[in-house]
Amino acid sequence: KNQVEQSPQSLIILEGKNCTLQCNYTVSPFSNLRWYKQDTGRGPVSLTIMTFSENTKSNGRYTATLDADTKQSSLHITASQLSDSASYICVVSHTGGFKTIFGAGTRLFVKA
Amino acid sequence: DVKVTQSSRYLVKRTGEKVFLECVQDMDHENMFWYRQDPGLGLRLIYFSYDVKMKEKGDIPEGYSVSREKKERFSLILESASTNQTSMYLCASLGTGGTYEQYFGPGTRLTVT
Repeated sequence: KNQVEQSPQSLIILEGKNCTLQCNYTVSPFSNLRWYKQDTGRGPVSLTIMTFSENTKSNGRYTATLDADTKQSSLHITASQLSDSASYICVVSHTGGFKTIFGAGTRLFVKA
Repeated sequence: DVKVTQSSRYLVKRTGEKVFLECVQDMDHENMFWYRQDPGLGLRLIYFSYDVKMKEKGDIPEGYSVSREKKERFSLILESASTNQTSMYLCASLGTGGTYEQYFGPGTRLTVT
């Protein structure tokens, strides 16, 4: 069964600290993996997209990694800011990229 | 920039009412999607459309229907709203350029009382 599992479910960190969010998947055949950021009351916005051959992708203070062998991805946030408080959703696509499986998300709270 | 808009941010309806949620995208994308998002469950696909007048069921189509009469507009219809359809509804569009990125609207929070 195609599944995407994220951990932790929620996380609280102090402003300025780093954190890492995890995503494990069992989607096959794998096409690509994306991380989205969703602010409260808004739609998700893409942070990074990685295909099978890519193992790291950065977008400012966000760095995503992908290990296609172990089917794991992580999103590392450096020097967190209050505006990083949001849900982070891992999304894996299969079947040529069209069909997608969404993780339940990690809710990140950044405290001053 | 791709823009996806949804007709309402917040909506309150009574049980049994017919509800229309509209979504418009301005990037000439072929593919459009409707999801619902509930705490702890992530986004679940209700219906999608890959062309005008074409539609496919997603994972949870029961109680919903859709309409795509024009390429830029994709409507979600709740024929007879029920309390278990209280949720956040998100529309997304996807082009065929190979980036695989879905662009989401701001969402509609629907409450059925």
